[in-house]
Amino acid sequence: GAVVSQHPSWVICKSGTSVKIECRSLDFQATTMFWYRQFPKQSLMLMATSNEGSKATYEQGVEKDKFLINHASLTLSTLTVTSAHPEDSSFYICSASDSGRRSDTQYFGPGTRLTVL
Amino acid sequence: EDQVTQSPEALRLQEGESSSLNCSYTVSGLRGLFWYRQDPGKGPEFLFTLYSAGEEKEKERLKATLTKKESFLHITAPKPEDSATYLCAVGDSWGKLQFGAGTQVVVTP
Repeated sequence: GAVVSQHPSWVICKSGTSVKIECRSLDFQATTMFWYRQFPKQSLMLMATSNEGSKATYEQGVEKDKFLINHASLTLSTLTVTSAHPEDSSFYICSASDSGRRSDTQYFGPGTRLTVL
Repeated sequence: EDQVTQSPEALRLQEGESSSLNCSYTVSGLRGLFWYRQDPGKGPEFLFTLYSAGEEKEKERLKATLTKKESFLHITAPKPEDSATYLCAVGDSWGKLQFGAGTQVVVTP
């Protein structure tokens, strides 16, 4: 149980284009999902908290107009990197908490490797 | 400000050589101490959640313990497949996690 998927697993795009990453909870419902980015040899940095049916909450320093988050259902959140540039190249990982359990445990997806040329 | 510090940064073990990883934290309103394992190029895999001092949890060769200021992840008789980066994170009242930098463990045959 508690499986989270991400799609795509990797993507290469040209500078200036937009890229959408999907995060799905496969066997549970998630009122809240989280988006992280991870640079090589570094730990995970929280970018934003995605809440079903409401606006996402962004961490300090994260541009909300650049990283658009939509959480349209209890099993799907999407992250769109708009007008991507090489410095946006990173490993993006989502996580979700099971709304049906009394637990704050986050279950992570396999990650999406974004390379912007 | 909340802080999570993991030590050592890296650990090289012989197969069967037991050891412990440390995670010290300062956080207001702790809502759980979490341990994850991360393999290269993959997302973190959940291992344990600890909520109160004195709590212990075990899974195969891993055992996690919690005090008021730190947590330990004990690896007993490790095997090469235990090689990974082990991440510690603390949860706050908003459900957000703050991660430590991780401990990279390499177990050689």
